[in-house]
Amino acid sequence: DAGVTQSPTHLIKTRGQQVTLRCSPKSGHDTVSWYQQALGQGPQFIFQYYEEEERQRGNFPDRFSGHQFPNYSSELNVNALLLGDSALYLCASSFRVGGYTFGSGTRLTVV
Amino acid sequence: AQTVTQSQPEMSVQEAETVTLSCTYDTSESDYYLFWYKQPPSRQMILVIRQEAYKQQNATENRFSVNFQKAAKSFSLKISDSQLGDAAMYFCAYRSAQSAGGTSYGKLTFGQGTILTVHP
Repeated sequence: DAGVTQSPTHLIKTRGQQVTLRCSPKSGHDTVSWYQQALGQGPQFIFQYYEEEERQRGNFPDRFSGHQFPNYSSELNVNALLLGDSALYLCASSFRVGGYTFGSGTRLTVV
Repeated sequence: AQTVTQSQPEMSVQEAETVTLSCTYDTSESDYYLFWYKQPPSRQMILVIRQEAYKQQNATENRFSVNFQKAAKSFSLKISDSQLGDAAMYFCAYRSAQSAGGTSYGKLTFGQGTILTVHP
């Protein structure tokens, strides 16, 4: 039973560019959440998708957007990248009250 | 808004000894869940233990146990018989029991983390 898969594992982008991160949830999970984890800090909630709609959103600007597809996979898009967007981006999937399963994250470096 | 505070940036323990990691939280809700997650260098968050606020009994998972003090809003993790594989970053996290946005599993609010080093 595959867990949560995130791609890519690492990437480097230039300030001002746009980036798309991808997440495939654990089999049987229908809800995907995204978190940003700065180096040495705890993860911060970005948003959550369920039934292809954004259901909850954290304190992140509109430059952060997402999408969920009919197969429950999800994308996180960040526009106009800033140096401060450099972080580990974690995807977590869940199903009802079964608990979260986290992926290993995408390490984004903005230069 | 809920907040979670871990006041110990780093802790160390000798192998086979016991260590306790501290966590306090602030909420106006009466029904919620608390978690301890482990994040090794592989970066994947691994659930260590979970506590439901309505349960007075402290949760236990093998060598891991918690001391849940609801009135004091304190939630500490005790690791007994520490092993080298326990070395990692540990995060305390909070989740409301209320459903949000049509889903029944809402967001997690994490603390800043505690780096645990285990010495052989």
